[in-house]
Amino acid sequence: QKEVEQNSGPLSVPEGAIASLNCTYSDRGSQSFFWYRQYSGKSPELIMSIYSNGDKEDGRFTAQLNKASQYVSLLIRDSQPSDSATYLCAVIGGGSNYKLTFGKGTLLTVNP
Amino acid sequence: NAGVTQTPKFQVLKTGQSMTLQCAQDMNHNSMYWYRQDPGMGLRLIYYSASEGTTDKGEVPNGYNVSRLNKREFSLRLESAAPSQTSVYFCASAFVQNSDTQYFGPGTRLTVL
Repeated sequence: QKEVEQNSGPLSVPEGAIASLNCTYSDRGSQSFFWYRQYSGKSPELIMSIYSNGDKEDGRFTAQLNKASQYVSLLIRDSQPSDSATYLCAVIGGGSNYKLTFGKGTLLTVNP
Repeated sequence: NAGVTQTPKFQVLKTGQSMTLQCAQDMNHNSMYWYRQDPGMGLRLIYYSASEGTTDKGEVPNGYNVSRLNKREFSLRLESAAPSQTSVYFCASAFVQNSDTQYFGPGTRLTVL
């Protein structure tokens, strides 16, 4: 059973702070990694994808991948109340396993 | 460009009733997926279709059937609904199966009494 684990949260940060969301995965052959954001009652929407070790930045968001440690994280700089949502880590397994496996999500609340 | 659409948005069934959830995408994607989302369980894959004409089981296929009607449409059928199937169902699509971003529909909230 390939697993994706996220810090359970909920995570609460003040407006303007950095929010750090973490995720570990069990399938060492995984090659594709995604962070989705899901507002309450809405569908998941992609924030970031990352495929290579290192950092990938997009505006206030930075995804970090360390395949040796089987670890992927999402940093949100200058957090805004509109960032309050559940963040889902998702991984596509290696080999012939093309299925996207999701973590259970971390609820982030940004307090004004 | 509507993206991924799902019908209905809400549905209430009695135990034993059947229904079909419809999903369509207009992005010319090859792969389509059905997930269910339950509190504390995250998103779990029910069935997927890597390309037109193929379907495969996901993590939780029992009690469901699917049909990939054509490249655009992928339906999910509950033959005999059970209370355990009360959930929010999401359809998703991707251009290619391996490594590509999945785009989600708005979801169907299903209650089985």
